[in-house]
Amino acid sequence: DGGITQSPKYLFRKEGQNVTLSCEQNLNHDAMYWYRQDPGQGLRLIYYSQIVNDFQKGDIAEGYSVSREKKESFPLTVTSAQKNPTAFYLCASSLTGGFNEQFFGPGTRLTVL
Amino acid sequence: AQRVTQPEKLLSVFKGAPVELKCNYSYSGSPELFWYVQYSRQRLQLLLRHISRESIKGFTADLNKGETSFHLKKPFAQEEDSAMYYCALSGMGGGSNYKLTFGKGTLLTVNP
Repeated sequence: DGGITQSPKYLFRKEGQNVTLSCEQNLNHDAMYWYRQDPGQGLRLIYYSQIVNDFQKGDIAEGYSVSREKKESFPLTVTSAQKNPTAFYLCASSLTGGFNEQFFGPGTRLTVL
Repeated sequence: AQRVTQPEKLLSVFKGAPVELKCNYSYSGSPELFWYVQYSRQRLQLLLRHISRESIKGFTADLNKGETSFHLKKPFAQEEDSAMYYCALSGMGGGSNYKLTFGKGTLLTVNP
């Protein structure tokens, strides 16, 4: 089951440390997204990218950073500035445009101790 | 601003009973609406979208612009329908309007 992969599945970090979550896709999609999923909160958009070397802030970008140097990859860094980093993080990709289906990865559960 | 409201966090029905998961939206333009589903230990995936007007796994959803709703319905629920369901909205047009806004989700449990 390729398509879109995220690693690692579980991640533990100490408070104050930056951590980078990996997201890779082989679907040849131009657009990629990062969401945060918290119980009772649904999915909230952190960052998105429509094309290589370009990305935009989503609804809750504070404390996060991204890069898009390759079409296949869209890593997310959770910085020490993020006040509540413990969460389930989902990556998605789609063809460019507003109404295309988004394909989701399996997610990474980050726990900050 | 675009907003999606799913008023029920939890919904429990018996097998064979009809089920309706409610979704209301707020958007100033003409939206595109989706239902995504997450089964236990599986990835979030698209269930259906308004523009395709498909019936997937017996589920249908009708866009009611007057009531700004996109409720998901199935006449006879099955145990395998138990999952978390998310309604999502994407605004029409280019630029920043294409991002998806999700509701908070409804956890459906179908009891035997």
